[in-house]
This record gives sequence, C-alpha cells and structure tokens, in this order.
Amino acid sequence: ELKVEQNPLFLSMQEGKNYTIYCNYSTTSDRLYWYRQDPGKSLESLFVLLSNGAVKQEGRLMASLDTKARLSTLHITAAVHDLSATYFCAVDSWDSNYQLIWGAGTKLIIKP
Amino acid sequence: EAGVTQFPSHSVIEKGQTVTLRCDPISGHDNLYWYRRVMGKEIKFLLHFVKESKQDESGMPNNRFLAERTGGTYSTLKVQPAELEDSGVYFCASLDSSTDTQYFGPGTRLTVL
Repeated sequence: ELKVEQNPLFLSMQEGKNYTIYCNYSTTSDRLYWYRQDPGKSLESLFVLLSNGAVKQEGRLMASLDTKARLSTLHITAAVHDLSATYFCAVDSWDSNYQLIWGAGTKLIIKP
Repeated sequence: EAGVTQFPSHSVIEKGQTVTLRCDPISGHDNLYWYRRVMGKEIKFLLHFVKESKQDESGMPNNRFLAERTGGTYSTLKVQPAELEDSGVYFCASLDSSTDTQYFGPGTRLTVL
C-alpha cells in the first residue's frame, strides 16, 4: 500500500527565514505533486515532479524529487507572510492504480 | 477560463437525509475525480470518471454513495442516507492531460448532524 508522510505537520516561522517541508512515500511513484490550500479555498497546484532529480522553482518556493530516497522537499526561501497556507504533497503510481495518495498536509504560519 | 466549480459550498443536513453535490469540471477535461477530507484525516480518493464512464470507484466508502456523470460533463455525488461519519469536505478535480495536473474546485463542506 502506497503511503505518504509529510513533516512537519505544523510550522510557525518568522518572515525572512528559510525552511523545508519533507514528503516521504513508501513505494515507487510515477509522479509527485505539491499543492497549496488557503483556508476555505481550493487546492492550488504548485508543482508536478516527474523524474528523479527534478527540480522546479516558482518564486520563493522550490521543489525537488529524489526517487531513490523516495523523498521530495519543498523549500521556502526568505519566507513572506503571503506564503502562509497548508501545503500538501501527493503521489500516484501503478501501485495505487494512479489514484492520488495524499500526505496529511503541513500547516505553515509565517509571522510578520 | 473558468475553473472547476462545485455546488453547494456548504451543506448541513440531518442524519438519514439525502444530499447531492455537484461538480462542473473545466471545459474539455475528460477526467474528473472526487476526493474527500474528513476532519483531521488525509485527503482520500473516492472515484475517477473518464468522460461518462467510471474508471475507478474503489475509494467509494459504501453503497450509500452514488456518483454520476451523465453526458460526460458535470458530475453529481449523492449520499443517501447520510450518516454522521460522512461529514467532511468533498473536493472535485479535473485533469489537464497535457500537464498531468489536476485542478481542484473549492470543495463542498458537508456537515451531517
């Protein structure tokens, strides 16, 4: 059974600091996704990572994928208050019949 | 371009009643998915349509849940009769096959009292 673990589940940090959210998954994955959700809002796609060593960046967010370690990271550089949200990773694979299997989410609070 | 829309945004019903949730995917997206997040738990897959056909409904909790996608456009998810444990947020998503990205609707928050 494909499982996805995120950590930390909760993160409170100051503006200007750097931090990393980790996403581990249990079996071979075809694709890994990062989503952002603001309270009461929809899930917004951030990144789709398809292959080992993939790195994608958008603004202060950078996501990477290591398929050998079964690990993806979402790195936040010089955090700003607007990045406060809950961040989810999800994976799919033939193991899961290509269903998206989700991590529990990381609630990120960035204090001004 | 309009995104994925869901209706209603909130629904409060009593145990034993029926509720129907609606999802309108992005126009042209053949693949449509339903997910649910029960409070404090992970988001869970419910089912997947390709056009009007159910591709995978292995995540449906039980036979009180019925999903349809007549004509391959919008989809409905009916819960009958609703139970307390059905409370949660129900998300719908449609797939942009060119980017392998699922676009989500805002969700329907269902509360069963």
